[in-house]
Amino acid sequence: AVQLVESGGGLVQPKESLKISCAASGFTFSNAAMYWVRQAPGKGLEWVARIRTKPNNYATYYADSVKGRFTISRDDSKSMVYLQMDNLKTEDTAMYYCTAEGRVTGWFAYWGQGTLVTVSS
Amino acid sequence: DVVMTQTPPSLSVAIGQSVSISCKSSQSLVYSDGKTYLHWLLQSSGRSPKRLIYQVSNLDSGVPDRFSGTGSQKDFTLKISRVEAKDLGVYYCAQTTHFPPTFGGGTKLELK
Repeated sequence: AVQLVESGGGLVQPKESLKISCAASGFTFSNAAMYWVRQAPGKGLEWVARIRTKPNNYATYYADSVKGRFTISRDDSKSMVYLQMDNLKTEDTAMYYCTAEGRVTGWFAYWGQGTLVTVSS
Repeated sequence: DVVMTQTPPSLSVAIGQSVSISCKSSQSLVYSDGKTYLHWLLQSSGRSPKRLIYQVSNLDSGVPDRFSGTGSQKDFTLKISRVEAKDLGVYYCAQTTHFPPTFGGGTKLELK
């Protein structure tokens, strides 16, 4: 079965950095685009970042709200995807979900349980 | 960005009833390949989202056929027949036709 397990969330102060991780299993990780989606407390879903596969040069894409501050990366040898978050703002406080592309079915096919990032002084 | 508008924001239903949720987009969601990348997800209370339907009407594996998706261009509907308790939660539509991908505001399905 597909599993996505996020880790690394926590409480940080504004302007600090944090790197969250997602461990994937149960599918051919290297063939799947990966995404991060976040959800602020009591709010809806917001797409954050996308990273494509090696044949697509590991191309990355970001929401305007995080561009220049967040960096998505992946390690296919470890089936891991990461989100490096720099210069964090209070409005980045959210549950961060790792999601995976389905081989045939496309975007947001699989979701992890999420990791909570709280930015507060 | 494409704005996704879901109605109603909340819905009260009795077990066994049928309900429909509307999702309208600010632009056509037909991609250059002819496909429409409109999806439906359910977030049950305290849990992560789960995709139910992809590309308007295709049920994800394990999703009962009580769920159905219809629509085209800018106007889409999720129908749930014979609602069960496990169907309760917040439903989101999402489009991945245009960059950036965007979500509707959600429709909360509650017990009457």
